[in-house]
Amino acid sequence: DIVMTQTPSSQAVSAGEKVTMSCKSSQSLLYNENKKNYLAWYQQKPGQSPKLLIYWASTRESGVPDRFIGSGSGTDFTLTISSVQAEDLAVYYCQQYYNFPLTFGSGTKLEIK
Amino acid sequence: EVQLVESGGGLVQPGRSLKLSCAASGFTFSNYYMAWVRQAPKKGLEWVATISTSGSRTYYPDSVKGRFTISRDNAKSSLYLQMNSLKSEDTATYYCARHSRDWFAYWGQGTLVTVSS
Repeated sequence: DIVMTQTPSSQAVSAGEKVTMSCKSSQSLLYNENKKNYLAWYQQKPGQSPKLLIYWASTRESGVPDRFIGSGSGTDFTLTISSVQAEDLAVYYCQQYYNFPLTFGSGTKLEIK
Repeated sequence: EVQLVESGGGLVQPGRSLKLSCAASGFTFSNYYMAWVRQAPKKGLEWVATISTSGSRTYYPDSVKGRFTISRDNAKSSLYLQMNSLKSEDTATYYCARHSRDWFAYWGQGTLVTVSS
């Protein structure tokens, strides 16, 4: 099974600041035939179900603000929020879909100072 | 608008069975792979099962293989999860989710399953 490791487990930032969070996989998520990274990011706000933010490691889902930026390749990935808003308070999860079983990271909790 | 509405959760004793349902609307249900994902209280997300468009192929992690069965009724735009031999560690909110490729594009609001004597 591919193990997904997210760091940090939590972080607190002020509104307007830039924040980055990391997701590392135990094996490469880059499929050589199509040069795509099989990684998605989700946002789960308190009391809500998860919401898809990004897939193919860097493609923003329709309607997701452009302050959410996914990057990385192979085994190292990053989710950046360029200017955090109060509404971004949430837990962020990465998920690999390179193979079954589909696996998630343990999440990064974003708190707003 | 895509809507996924789960039902069937509740309190169940260890070793017993429970069947969850998910009613889908707002899209052509038969065109999409579907899945169940669960979240234990205050914990992270765990994929539980995926089913192909026709229902001919199903996928499970080892943690539920042999105990859980995912199924679908395309005529009713409904997804199901039959859970047998339930354990305390199966206590979680169970989300119905629509696949796009192998990520989860849409999620329901979830139904809580509590396994306890």
